[in-house]
Amino acid sequence: DQQVKQNSPSLSVQEGRISILNCDYTNSMFDYFLWYKKYPAEGPTFLISISSIKDKNEDGRFTVFLNKSAKHLSLHIVPSQPGDSAVYFCAASVGGTASKLTFGTGTRLQVTL
Amino acid sequence: ETGVTQTPRHLVMGMTNKKSLKCEQHLGHNAMYWYKQSAKKPLELMFVYNFKEQTENNSVPSRFSPECPNSSHLFLHLHTLQPEDSALYLCASSQVGGRSVNEKLFFGSGTQLSVL
Repeated sequence: DQQVKQNSPSLSVQEGRISILNCDYTNSMFDYFLWYKKYPAEGPTFLISISSIKDKNEDGRFTVFLNKSAKHLSLHIVPSQPGDSAVYFCAASVGGTASKLTFGTGTRLQVTL
Repeated sequence: ETGVTQTPRHLVMGMTNKKSLKCEQHLGHNAMYWYKQSAKKPLELMFVYNFKEQTENNSVPSRFSPECPNSSHLFLHLHTLQPEDSALYLCASSQVGGRSVNEKLFFGSGTQLSVL
């Protein structure tokens, strides 16, 4: 049973527009959420995180929104750039523990010119 | 060199071979991890080591044998693997405990393993 789901395997967005990547979770005990970005032939790199005490966290062009009642998480990238083309993984944990991170299957974002 | 480095980057092995994957972290972290990434599946946690002690074995078959000689080095010894074990194997490290409650994983580039 997948506790973290990314239902869109791929997304294509034009350069300059907003990219919205979605993530749903089923475990109401999750209280810490992260997004990782992965380029081909590289390991995932940490992008942005949010604690369950917040509903929004912003870092430059990247904003993560958390809707606890809907158990839904989204990552907004504005404006999208070609260098943002990568696979994005959503992850969640209980108690902020890295050893208990549960990952989604990833969404491949393609930013076109 | 900084970060988490993994060798080799690519590995092709037969089902009767014995090979080892190596991981080294230069971040001063005290926890290290092995993850498996198969196509269209979430990253699967395999093993966790905290302060060189194995704290988690996620029901991994015994043909995968981890070794953590110190907090900077992690190995994954492979023996009599199956073709379905072909995947990307990722090493990660983190700082457990301390002042930061919310921990992050730092990943290596992975070893792409093909079992023939």
